[in-house]
Amino acid sequence: DTGVSQDPRHKITKRGQNVTFRCDPISEHNRLYWYRQTLGQGPEFLTYFQNEAQLEKSRLLSDRFSAERPKGSFSTLEIQRTEQGDSAMYLCASSLIGSNEKLFFGSGTQLSVL
Amino acid sequence: AQSVSQHNHHVILSEAASLELGCNYSYGGTVNLFWYVQYPGQHLQLLLKYFSGDPLVKGIKGFEAEFIKSKFSFNLRKPSVQWSDTAEYFCAVKTGANNLFFGTGTRLTVIP
Repeated sequence: DTGVSQDPRHKITKRGQNVTFRCDPISEHNRLYWYRQTLGQGPEFLTYFQNEAQLEKSRLLSDRFSAERPKGSFSTLEIQRTEQGDSAMYLCASSLIGSNEKLFFGSGTQLSVL
Repeated sequence: AQSVSQHNHHVILSEAASLELGCNYSYGGTVNLFWYVQYPGQHLQLLLKYFSGDPLVKGIKGFEAEFIKSKFSFNLRKPSVQWSDTAEYFCAVKTGANNLFFGTGTRLTVIP
């Protein structure tokens, strides 16, 4: 399967700890997105990269969240000093410029903060 | 700010029944509209999209949606649902920025 891969699938952590998630997009895709989804809600936009440049970041995103895509391929999302409210499914998606914004989603990383 | 409303949280239908899921958005400018579907245990995938032209768009698996600009709506329809259509359906809107705003989703349960 050459779709979008996310690692880990599940992460349980204690409040105050730092966590990092990884996303490997479809290889030729130049756009990469991070979304967060909580129970009963739709995915909420967090941030977006075009190649290695982070072009947009949600105003709702806390300073504890940071994302990188250093070589324009895989991306990492780090959450520092996790809080219980950070518990959610973190989704990664990728797309190709000119593909009319068809996003391909990964299966997500389920974060539980105890 | 943009927002997307999906009025039905959970819809239960028998097989062969007709389906219509509501989606309304609030944004005054040009929009691109999408329906994504998430089958149980699977990731989100695109069902259909509207960018311009014919406001009636057809997607995979017999789904279609109609863009009515005057009503700010993009309702999803299927004439006859199947058990395999059981899933969660998300309406999404893209405005000028390169990200999607999703609705809260509608869970569809089809009873055999």
